[in-house]
Amino acid sequence: QKEVEQNSGPLSVPEGAIASLNCTYSDRGSQSFFWYRQYSGKSPELIMSIYSNGDKEDGRFTAQLNKASQYVSLLIRDSQPSDSATYLCAVKPDDYKLSFGAGTTVTVRA
Amino acid sequence: DARVTQTPRDKVTEMGQEVTMRCQPILGHNTVFWYRQTMMQGLELLAYFRNRAPLDDSGMPKDRFSAEMPDATLATLKIQPSEPRDSAVYFCASDAGGGEELFFGEGSRLTVL
Repeated sequence: QKEVEQNSGPLSVPEGAIASLNCTYSDRGSQSFFWYRQYSGKSPELIMSIYSNGDKEDGRFTAQLNKASQYVSLLIRDSQPSDSATYLCAVKPDDYKLSFGAGTTVTVRA
Repeated sequence: DARVTQTPRDKVTEMGQEVTMRCQPILGHNTVFWYRQTMMQGLELLAYFRNRAPLDDSGMPKDRFSAEMPDATLATLKIQPSEPRDSAVYFCASDAGGGEELFFGEGSRLTVL
């Protein structure tokens, strides 16, 4: 079992719609969770971090965490063409290393 | 403008050749990571260092890969001998040690023919 699994996608949504991305992780002791965005041909960049159960909102992005279910999600509201990218879920199973999921590619149709 | 710098950006080589990739982490960052990204496997952690000491290199094929930090401003990843299956984008990343955000370099795209 991989440490971090994401819904494989690709995910295609119309402009203005909500994109929903899901992620599960295997290490129950993980405490830190992140979403990175990677544009084609570029390096990943952090867009959200979450540490406590519940929702965390930042602009059009909302991260949701449920540690009991070992589940993290990312919602992108009012999706824009500029949101077209691969979204990587990342989990910190210990103090140092960061394990990434395979990523979900999102395409926002104008 | 603080950023992680990687060289080379692109490398094409033939099977059996030695390849060395270099990384300059952000000044003051004491944790450095090497990741490899392919379409099939995604982003895989190869090795990471804290305060120049290797913490974990279990993700690396030990027989051909080696990673070092000769000083705080330089991390290297060496492949000898290279094989076609090593073709990938290799990312170096650094953080401030337990920090929230990992800063990635632009990557080194390796093609082994």
